[in-house]
Amino acid sequence: AQSVSQHNHHVILSEAASLELGCNYSYGGTVNLFWYVQYPGQHLQLLLKYFSGDPLVKGIKGFEAEFIKSKFSFNLRKPSVQWSDTAEYFCAAGAVGTDKLIFGTGTRLQVFP
Amino acid sequence: NAGVMQNPRHLVRRRGQEARLRCSPMKGHSHVYWYRQLPEEGLKFMVYLQKENIIDESGMPKERFSAEFPKEGPSILRIQQVVRGDSAAYFCASSPSSGDRETQYFGPGTRLLVL
Repeated sequence: AQSVSQHNHHVILSEAASLELGCNYSYGGTVNLFWYVQYPGQHLQLLLKYFSGDPLVKGIKGFEAEFIKSKFSFNLRKPSVQWSDTAEYFCAAGAVGTDKLIFGTGTRLQVFP
Repeated sequence: NAGVMQNPRHLVRRRGQEARLRCSPMKGHSHVYWYRQLPEEGLKFMVYLQKENIIDESGMPKERFSAEFPKEGPSILRIQQVVRGDSAAYFCASSPSSGDRETQYFGPGTRLLVL
């Protein structure tokens, strides 16, 4: 069955700490991968996406993610977090050629000044 | 360029009433998706529509739920005879008619509370 797993449910960091959020997927074929962010009270915004090519993708606000095919992973990273990064982060996957996205359960990130 | 619009943002219904959720896609987008987010869970796909067509409704509950995307006007997700378990956030997303069709852009959601 197709699935996306985010193992970190809640992460607490101090400002300037480095961040890595895990995402693993289980799919039968080629996938497109996404990270979305949901700030408190706001809608989901696209942070970055991977379709093909360079496995290291850079997104908005200093975020990046690396696609490792052998590990079925697409982890999100940021070298130095800010208080304004406090939000919920969702990893999602969609089989190429289909239109349905499968989401992970989300990771709540809290950054303290 | 306005993003995906959803209304109402919050909706309160009593058990047995009907809920109608509206979604206007981004300009130039003709593909609409509905997702449901239950408390403490990720988003779950419900239905994918194009103008006047339901393309994939594999995530829709078999009863009480329906969706449409008419030629004119917003997409509507309709829940009849709501029950407490329908309380959730319902998100709409849209994608372009051409070009990057596989990236979905989300609206702010409608938070439905069933009393």
